Amino acid sequence: EVQLVESGGGLVQPGGSLRLSCAASGFTFDDYAMHWVRQGPGKGLEWVSSINWSGDITAHADSVRGRFTISRDNAKNSLYLQMNSLRAEDTALYYCAKDGGGTPGYNCFDSCGHGTLVTVSS
Amino acid sequence: DIQMTQSPSSLSASVGDRVTITCRASQGISNYLAWYQQKPGQVPKLLISTASTLHSGVPSRFSGSGSGTDFTLTISSLQPEDVATYYCQKYNSAPLTFGGGTKVEIK
Repeated sequence: EVQLVESGGGLVQPGGSLRLSCAASGFTFDDYAMHWVRQGPGKGLEWVSSINWSGDITAHADSVRGRFTISRDNAKNSLYLQMNSLRAEDTALYYCAKDGGGTPGYNCFDSCGHGTLVTVSS
Repeated sequence: DIQMTQSPSSLSASVGDRVTITCRASQGISNYLAWYQQKPGQVPKLLISTASTLHSGVPSRFSGSGSGTDFTLTISSLQPEDVATYYCQKYNSAPLTFGGGTKVEIK
C-alpha cells in the first residue's frame, strides 16, 4: 500500500523559511516522479512543484518559482520542498503526491498524503 | 500557460440524477486530462486519467470524455456519497494546472 507522510509544516513569519519532507513507502520510490500540491484555506487545489524520478528535472509554479525548491533523496525514499521568502499567501495545506507513471514526463497523481499545514503570519 | 476552466462552480442535484461537469482548456492538451474527487475534510483522490480511464476502485457511475480542449465528467446516477468537490487537471506538460473546482451537493 502506498503511504506518503508529510512533515515540517508550522507557523512561520513572513520572509521566513521552512523545509517540508515527505516519507514514501509501499512502492519503488525512484521509479516515479513526485509532486507537491497545496490548498489554501477554503480554496481549490494548486499545483506547486514537480520532480522527475532521478531528481535532475524540476518544475515550479510561477507563484513560487525562485522561492521554493523541490528535491528528493532516492536512498531515503524522501521528497522535500524548501520554502524561502514565505508570504501570507503561501498559507496552505501542502500535499505530497505520487505520479501515476505510465508515460515519460509527468502524469496525473494517483496518491496523496494527508498534508502538512503551513501558516505564514506575524 | 494553459488555463483550465471548470463549469459550473457548484451544483445541487437530487439522488439518482445525471450530473455533468465540464472542463475547458485554453489550448489543446490531447487527452492529458485527469479528474479528482475531494470529499469534505479528505484528501483528493484520482477518479479518471487520460480523459476517460477510470482509476482502480472508482464506481462505474463515473465516466469521462473529451479530447483537445473540451472535457466532461459525468455521474450517471448521483449518490449521497458523491458529495464532494471535483477538479480537473491538465498534465501534458508543466504547469500541471488544476481547474477551479465544482462543488456537488445533494438537493
